[in-house]
Amino acid sequence: GAGVSQSPRYKVAKRGQDVALRCDPISGHVSLFWYQQALGQGPEFLTYFQNEAQLDKSGLPSDRFFAERPEGSVSTLKIQRTQQEDSAVYLCASSLFLFGGGWNEQFFGPGTRLTVL
Amino acid sequence: TQLLEQSPQFLSIQEGENLTVYCNSSSVFSSLQWYRQEPGEGPVLLVTVVTGGEVKKLKRLTFQFGDARKDSSLHITAAQPGDTGLYLCAAASGGGADGLTFGKGTHLIIQP
Repeated sequence: GAGVSQSPRYKVAKRGQDVALRCDPISGHVSLFWYQQALGQGPEFLTYFQNEAQLDKSGLPSDRFFAERPEGSVSTLKIQRTQQEDSAVYLCASSLFLFGGGWNEQFFGPGTRLTVL
Repeated sequence: TQLLEQSPQFLSIQEGENLTVYCNSSSVFSSLQWYRQEPGEGPVLLVTVVTGGEVKKLKRLTFQFGDARKDSSLHITAAQPGDTGLYLCAAASGGGADGLTFGKGTHLIIQP
């Protein structure tokens, strides 16, 4: 399909394990965002890429969280030494970037549900 | 840090009734978005409001942006079971490069 895809859709990890979550944005979308959504809550911003450049990582909760987008398309969110409080749905979104300002619609993927035991 | 407060947090009503969901903040926003999210899926954009006092209609849904661009409301007329879902308001402080700040959402259940 032409939408944002994420894999895996579900991930169960034991506490202390490392996990890697993948996001395939819509082709041609310059901007890519990661959000964390706890159960029953709204999404919270984690980090933002413009092409391969990570321009904002202010929402990453700790240095165990790391994101990359080396070629400006696919992105990976890595969580090291997972903790139970990391259990959440991780959403990826992408958007076009129009020079000159204005708000650009973000298109969301279905998310990866991470459960840390 | 911008904070968006949504109310009510939960709402369960009968099919055919009307309802209003509110999104409030002390901050001024350049734009505000409403999303609907179903279980196992990502949020889907319903509408973006940009101008203070703006009213947008999407079939039975009416969205309003406050004059001061600090608050918004979503009104659903004659609710249907298909309207069931999590309704989220979100805002970006500047242009599209900003990550969105979301409210906690309103969990809406429409009973047949």
